[in-house]
Amino acid sequence: DIQMTQSPSSLSASVGDRVTITCRASHSITSYLNWYQHKPGKAPKLLIYAASTLQSGVPSRFSGSGSGTGFTLTINSLQPEDFATYYCQQTYGTPFTFGQGTKLEIK
Amino acid sequence: EVQLVQSGAQVKKPGESLRISCKGSGYSFTSYWITWVRQRPGKGLEWMGRINPSDYYSNYSPSFQGHVTMSVDKSINTAYVQWSRLEASDTAMYYCARHIVASTRTHDYWGQGTLVTVSS
Repeated sequence: DIQMTQSPSSLSASVGDRVTITCRASHSITSYLNWYQHKPGKAPKLLIYAASTLQSGVPSRFSGSGSGTGFTLTINSLQPEDFATYYCQQTYGTPFTFGQGTKLEIK
Repeated sequence: EVQLVQSGAQVKKPGESLRISCKGSGYSFTSYWITWVRQRPGKGLEWMGRINPSDYYSNYSPSFQGHVTMSVDKSINTAYVQWSRLEASDTAMYYCARHIVASTRTHDYWGQGTLVTVSS
């Protein structure tokens, strides 16, 4: 199985901050990397697919980059609604593993 | 509008069987796979497996192989995951998601989740 390692596991930030979350794959996954936002009691929401493509309807303050084994999710100018848990997921090979999640909390 | 609507919360005893459902609408149901994802209390997301509604082909994560069975009823655009013998460790929220196999290989629409509680 391909292991996905996210860092940090938790992060405190303020409204208006810029934050970066990192995801590392144990093997090359080319660009088959997705980012999801998950809020308690809600369905996960797709933010970024193919490492850097913004899903339709997702605000442009979200961006993704990387390829191979290293990836980042950046959120510019944090908004109150951005405080949630973020997961990366590889869809290069089954099982399609997720990172352990990064909980973004209000400072 | 694409929607995946899941069946309601379930409370079961260990050893009981269960089937939960995920009904797709607003798109061609057989053109996209359905993935199932588990989230245990306080834990992260786990990919369980996926099924192709077109030909019923499925593949499972090794962690779930042999413990759950995925199926589809194309006539009513509904996917299922079932357990023949539940365990307390199956207590979790379960999500279905629409899976694009070609090109992007992503999961673009998700169901609202089904909470399964297994307790004696």
